[in-house]
Amino acid sequence: DIQMTQSPSSLSASVGDRVTITCRASQSISTYLNWYQQRPGKAPKLLIYGSSSLHGGVPSRFSGGRSGTDFTLTISSLQPEDFASYYCQQSYSAPYSFGQGTKLEIK
Amino acid sequence: QVQLQESGPGLVKPSETLSLTCAVSGASINSYDWSWIRQPPGKGLEWIGYMYNGESRNHNPSLKSRVTISVDTTKNQFSLKLRSVTAADTAVYYCAKIESGNYDAFDIWGQGTVVTVSS
Repeated sequence: DIQMTQSPSSLSASVGDRVTITCRASQSISTYLNWYQQRPGKAPKLLIYGSSSLHGGVPSRFSGGRSGTDFTLTISSLQPEDFASYYCQQSYSAPYSFGQGTKLEIK
Repeated sequence: QVQLQESGPGLVKPSETLSLTCAVSGASINSYDWSWIRQPPGKGLEWIGYMYNGESRNHNPSLKSRVTISVDTTKNQFSLKLRSVTAADTAVYYCAKIESGNYDAFDIWGQGTVVTVSS
């Protein structure tokens, strides 16, 4: 099974900051890496699929990158609505697996 | 606009079977692929299983073959059964649509339904 290791588990930042969350796969998953945002008490929402493609309606301040088995989610300028939890997920092979999550909090 | 709505009992006794349904609106269930995902209280997301083409199914081996996912095309819905539940199965259960053309991402989610396993 493929393990996804996400870091950091929590992050404090201010409105306007640039932040990056990292996800590492335990083996090659090509670009089968997706990112989700989850606000408290709500269902997750797809942000990025295929490691770098923005899902429809997602603001352009979100971007995804890849270097080998390391993946990044970057928010270029934090907005108040971005304070939430973020999860990576590999869809390369079943069982599909998620990272442990990153909780982004207001500093 | 595809929408998903989970339903089922909010309380299940230990050793019994958890049964949930996901009603699909805005699209034919035969047009897409579908999945179940859960989230224990205060924890991360866990993939449960999926179905492709209305027939092929796969589930997380960590659930030790307790899972059955099925489809009812007449009602445009799909279902989850999880047998022999324990307190560890207490979670919010989500159904989701798989976007097969976009790296199998879960592009649409239901709002989730809370299931508590307790006597």
